[in-house]
Amino acid sequence: SQQGEEDPQALSIQEGENATMNCSYKTSINNLQWYRQNSGRGLVHLILIRSNEREKHSGRLRVTLDTSKKSSSLLITASRAADTASYFCATDYTGGFKTIFGAGTRLFVKA
Amino acid sequence: NAGVTQTPKFQVLKTGQSMTLQCAQDMNHNSMYWYRQDPGMGLRLIYYSASEGTTDKGEVPNGYNVSRLNKREFSLRLESAAPSQTSVYFCASTDSATNEKLFFGSGTQLSVL
Repeated sequence: SQQGEEDPQALSIQEGENATMNCSYKTSINNLQWYRQNSGRGLVHLILIRSNEREKHSGRLRVTLDTSKKSSSLLITASRAADTASYFCATDYTGGFKTIFGAGTRLFVKA
Repeated sequence: NAGVTQTPKFQVLKTGQSMTLQCAQDMNHNSMYWYRQDPGMGLRLIYYSASEGTTDKGEVPNGYNVSRLNKREFSLRLESAAPSQTSVYFCASTDSATNEKLFFGSGTQLSVL
C-alpha cells in the first residue's frame, strides 16, 4: 500500500495547548495535503505543501515537510474545542493520478 | 454553491442486491473520485476519473463499477452487494491535473446485511 501513516492515532489535549500530528509516506511525492473531518461529515482541505517547500503557515496551522525523511507534521497552535476532529494527511505521488490518504489522527480538545 | 452532492445519504441493502451511488459536482472539475472509509483504515480509493470519458481503478476496485456520465456526474455501482462493502462512501472532485485540494461530498453510509 502507498498509504501514509499518521502518528499518533489519537491525541487528547486541553484547550489552549498545541497539537502536533505526524505523517510518514513511502515514495516520492508532488505534494502533501492535510484534511480535517468532523464526525459524520466529509473531509475538508486545510493546507497543501509542495515537495520543494519545507514549511507553510495558514492561520493557526503550521505544516512542515522533510522529503529526506519522507515525513510531514501538522501543528495546530492554541487549540480550541472546535478543533476536535480527525486529521488526515494525503499524498499525491510522483507519476500518479491519485491522492492517497493515511488512516488519520483523532484529536480531542477538552474545554 | 452546492459543491459535491452525493445521493443517497443512507442505504441498507441485502446481500446480492444492486445499487448505484450518485455523485455530481458543479465546480467544472475535471477529476472525480470514489473513496470508501472504514474504521481505523482512513480512506481507500475505489475508482477515479481523471477526465470526462476516462476511468481507472484505485486500490480497492473489486465488486464495483463506475460511470463518468458527463463532466459533472460520476456514479458508483455495486452489482451484487456483500457485507464487506458495508462502509461510508465519499465522492470527491478536483480541478487540477496535479490533484490539489480535493472537494468532498458529505458521504453515503451503506450497510449490507
